[in-house]
Amino acid sequence: GEDVEQSLFLSVREGDSSVINCTYTDSSSTYLYWYKQEPGAGLQLLTYIFSNMDMKQDQRLTVLLNKKDKHLSLRIADTQTGDSAIYFCAETGAGYGGSQGNLIFGKGTKLSVKP
Amino acid sequence: NAGVTQTPKFRVLKTGQSMTLLCAQDMNHEYMYWYRQDPGMGLRLIHYSVGEGTTAKGEVPDGYNVSRLKKQNFLLGLESAAPSQTSVYFCASRPDTSGGYNEQFFGPGTRLTVL
Repeated sequence: GEDVEQSLFLSVREGDSSVINCTYTDSSSTYLYWYKQEPGAGLQLLTYIFSNMDMKQDQRLTVLLNKKDKHLSLRIADTQTGDSAIYFCAETGAGYGGSQGNLIFGKGTKLSVKP
Repeated sequence: NAGVTQTPKFRVLKTGQSMTLLCAQDMNHEYMYWYRQDPGMGLRLIHYSVGEGTTAKGEVPDGYNVSRLKKQNFLLGLESAAPSQTSVYFCASRPDTSGGYNEQFFGPGTRLTVL
């Protein structure tokens, strides 16, 4: 079956860099996504990367994609307390309507930022 | 635009009771989704719809029914609630896009407790 794997927890100090890792399964995913969930809220798209790219930078966010190893990472530079949230990696899965663009989410990484 | 809204925000049910969760979107999106989120389990797809009048099963459809009578609304029904259905339920929607980009827009969630 399909499984998007993420570690469940990450704790960093304010001002440090955070790196959240993800492994995915479907090599045919055209796009890969990072969603952010703040406490008590729904998910919001944080950033995404097209599958023919190795890296995408967006202000404090850097996404790295290693297609050979099916590994995706999200780096947050100068992490702030406001970055504390759950971060989900997502791919377009082949099952459950994947041909119709359904997303498969990882279990989420809870990022805690200590002052 | 209100985006994706969910009603109610909180609900407590007794085992065996029924209820309907309402999701509404004002973005004219074709696709709509119902997920449940449980600790350590991430997001799991319950049912989805690719357009008005259509529904399809996701990963965990048992115990739930859905209807999409109007394009803007997606209803999730629990006919006979069980404690295992205690969860946070999220609705999401997305437009019909080409090229494989599938950003989903999420509602704020409904926290359901079944006693």
